[in-house]
Amino acid sequence: GAVVSQHPSWVICKSGTSVKIECRSLDFQATTMFWYRQFPKQSLMLMATSNEGSKATYEQGVEKDKFLINHASLTLSTLTVTSAHPEDSSFYICSAPDSNSGNTIYFGEGSWLTVV
Amino acid sequence: AQSVTQPDIHITVSEGASLELRCNYSYGATPYLFWYVQSPGQGLQLLLKYFSGDTLVQGIKGFEAEFKRSQSSFNLRKPSVHWSDAAEYFCAVGPNQAGTALIFGKGTTLSVSS
Repeated sequence: GAVVSQHPSWVICKSGTSVKIECRSLDFQATTMFWYRQFPKQSLMLMATSNEGSKATYEQGVEKDKFLINHASLTLSTLTVTSAHPEDSSFYICSAPDSNSGNTIYFGEGSWLTVV
Repeated sequence: AQSVTQPDIHITVSEGASLELRCNYSYGATPYLFWYVQSPGQGLQLLLKYFSGDTLVQGIKGFEAEFKRSQSSFNLRKPSVHWSDAAEYFCAVGPNQAGTALIFGKGTTLSVSS
């Protein structure tokens, strides 16, 4: 199947700092990517839809000024957690639909964020 | 409302025994259905998908799923479970549109006993 890669796999940052997570589609182009957040032993919560060339669409309750999303190219979307706080610690996963396989959605490996 | 229900939060199966994980959906349009598996601390791996055609779908790792429109179900099965199958399993539904995210069930944790 298609490959979606995230970087970094895990990151620790201090409270008040910002951290950027990258999501790349390695062997296909994606005009849309999705960012999820997952708490331990829970399902995935959709945070936002990243759109290449336009603004991201945020789900209700997600602070767009805190979780900045930039879809810089057809293979790269970034999520920046600004002024991070310990409650932002979570597992963040991105996904992208591969139009070459009927828009099957493939997921990245996820990024663990710990804010201390 | 569109939703996915996985009735079983946690299932334990003996190694070598058969497995069935249940998934029911509520979706207004023609559903496109997926099963993903997640190992602890990992991302999601696609097991199989149903778009159209044969309602019995074969996936990776020996898994299969059957789409039953009349029951709004897409249950995942495996005839003989291996210890390495222990993981979290998510059923998801969505449209075949690039700009729309999937709706996920809450997941079923599979434990495999020896």
